[in-house]
Amino acid sequence: GAVVSQHPSRVICKSGTSVKIECRSLDFQATTMFWYRQFPKQSLMLMATSNEGSKATYEQGVEKDKFLINHASLTLSTLTVTSAHPEDSSFYICSARRTGKAEQYFGPGTRLTVT
Amino acid sequence: SQKIEQNSEALNIQEGKTATLTCNYTNYSPAYLQWYRQDPGRGPVFLLLIRENEKEKRKERLKVTFDTTLKQSLFHITASQPADSATYLCAFYSSASKIIFGSGTRLSIRP
Repeated sequence: GAVVSQHPSRVICKSGTSVKIECRSLDFQATTMFWYRQFPKQSLMLMATSNEGSKATYEQGVEKDKFLINHASLTLSTLTVTSAHPEDSSFYICSARRTGKAEQYFGPGTRLTVT
Repeated sequence: SQKIEQNSEALNIQEGKTATLTCNYTNYSPAYLQWYRQDPGRGPVFLLLIRENEKEKRKERLKVTFDTTLKQSLFHITASQPADSATYLCAFYSSASKIIFGSGTRLSIRP
């Protein structure tokens, strides 16, 4: 149990376009999902906390208008990178926390490359 | 600010030996610590959670300790195998209910 999927696993897009990444909890309900980005050989940096049915909470320095998060159901959260630039190229990882539990379960990640 | 540190960026050990990874935290007293494994290009995989009232927790060849006096958690892999080679991350929930990750220790097990 506790499987989290992400789609797509890899995406290449042109500068100025928008990209949507989906995060799904496949076999459990997740009231809270989290979005991270990770640069090579660095640890995960929390971008935002996504709560089902309410607005996401963004970390300091993360532009909410650039990284749009929607958590429309207990099993799906989406991250849209709007007007992507090459500096947005990174590894984006989502995680989901089972309602009432402490452990987080991570998706396999999405490698975004902006050309 | 609340910080978590893994003092070894990389650790290389011989197959069959016990690997010991260290995680220290400051400016906070977390109720629990978690350990994750991350392989290159993949998301972290949850391994173990240990609560502040638990001194030790085991899962197969893995053992985690939690010393609230030293503000430290140790992660042990006994009878290590090349397949254990990965980056291991410790993490705790901050006072703001967010996970704070350490920078990770890249473990290499040589045959």
